[in-house]
Amino acid sequence: IAGITQAPTSQILAAGRRMTLRCTQDMRHNAMYWYRQDLGLGLRLIHYSNTAGTTGKGEVPDGYSVSRANTDDFPLTLASAVPSQTSVYFCASSESPGRNEQYFGPGTRLTVT
Amino acid sequence: QKEVEQNSGPLSVPEGAIASLNCTYSDRGSQSFFWYRQYSGKSPELIMFIYSNGDKEDGRFTAQLNKASQYVSLLIRDSQPSDSATYLCAVGRDSWGKLQFGAGTQVVVTP
Repeated sequence: IAGITQAPTSQILAAGRRMTLRCTQDMRHNAMYWYRQDLGLGLRLIHYSNTAGTTGKGEVPDGYSVSRANTDDFPLTLASAVPSQTSVYFCASSESPGRNEQYFGPGTRLTVT
Repeated sequence: QKEVEQNSGPLSVPEGAIASLNCTYSDRGSQSFFWYRQYSGKSPELIMFIYSNGDKEDGRFTAQLNKASQYVSLLIRDSQPSDSATYLCAVGRDSWGKLQFGAGTQVVVTP
């Protein structure tokens, strides 16, 4: 079934540890996005990529990094996790930056202790 | 002032009635507008998008856009208990595909 997969589904992480959240899509979409969702704050964009090889910063990029080596994969890395990064993380993709209809993956629930 | 504002609800709607959700945005240059449905513990699901002023209908859903007044609304006709969810309004500001999301309106459809 075409779509977006994310891994892991959930994770408990000790503060200071490094963590990579994985996102893969098989729709050949050019653009991909990472959001975090926190109660009362809604969805906030962390990083995005309009095409393989390019990335950009969103609204809340600090403490996160991304790479886009190919069309399908868009991993999000927390270099040194802090408790404020406890959140639900969603990966999304769209056909192209100009067609903004974004489709979301199932999410990763991350708890930093 | 938040860039995209929605009433948090909950909006209680009798089964079979019309649910009306509103969303206002602050950036007059916004070009694209989306409604997502999110069930508790699940990811957002795109249900409607609209780019031009006026109405757009898809099944029981109608999106209405008024750029002059900077609001977009979603109507859900013949509301069903399965429509109980949080509805997120999202607005696209530029050609890079970045979206600003509202905090969402919780809808509860009562049998």
